[in-house]
Amino acid sequence: QVQLQESGPGLVKPSGTLSLTCAVSGGSISSSNWWSWVRQPPGKGLEWIGEIYHSGSTNYNPSLKSRVTISVDKSKNQFSLKLSSVTAADTAVYYCASTVTFSLRYFDLWGRGTLVTVSS
Amino acid sequence: EIVLTQSPGTLSLSPGERATLSCRASQSVSSSYLAWYQQKPGQAPRLLIYGASSRATGIPDRFSGSGSGTDFTLTISRLEPEDFAVYYCQQYGSSPPGTFGQGTKVEIK
Repeated sequence: QVQLQESGPGLVKPSGTLSLTCAVSGGSISSSNWWSWVRQPPGKGLEWIGEIYHSGSTNYNPSLKSRVTISVDKSKNQFSLKLSSVTAADTAVYYCASTVTFSLRYFDLWGRGTLVTVSS
Repeated sequence: EIVLTQSPGTLSLSPGERATLSCRASQSVSSSYLAWYQQKPGQAPRLLIYGASSRATGIPDRFSGSGSGTDFTLTISRLEPEDFAVYYCQQYGSSPPGTFGQGTKVEIK
């Protein structure tokens, strides 16, 4: 059974870079899924951040594209998120998720989420 | 970019009642590539419906999805206590693929 687990600092300073990792267990990151990041500000809805395929191909939310980098490390079976120039508006629970297949990009697997607070 | 608008924002119902949630897209959703998720406080979203009307594994048959084009509906035939939660729709037919609606909260009346 494939599982996803987010990890990273829970507190980031304004103007800094948020860095999170999602470890994939019970399966291979080289399978035919897109590996994604979704965030949820406190009390608000879901916002898709972006996705990566094991080949390294990426797609990003246009509203965040200039600040986001998603990468994959096949040797460690994990993928990562970097969000630069953060502000308080980036405070959110960050989820990693995977799609069913390469072409069916709905999410059937989610991590438990990790809260990241942007504050000095 | 497709924008998804969910209505109502909040639905106040009693257990046993029928819930009808709407998700309207600003453009046609290709191939009915629309999914519904349920989210309870402190939990990750859970997939309920994909392809507009197919139930995900383990989802009770009181949950059903319908619609095509720009108008989609999630129906819960008889609300159980565990169904009170927030529901999100997501389209995955157009780029960017991860567009979500803003959510509908189903609360106990």
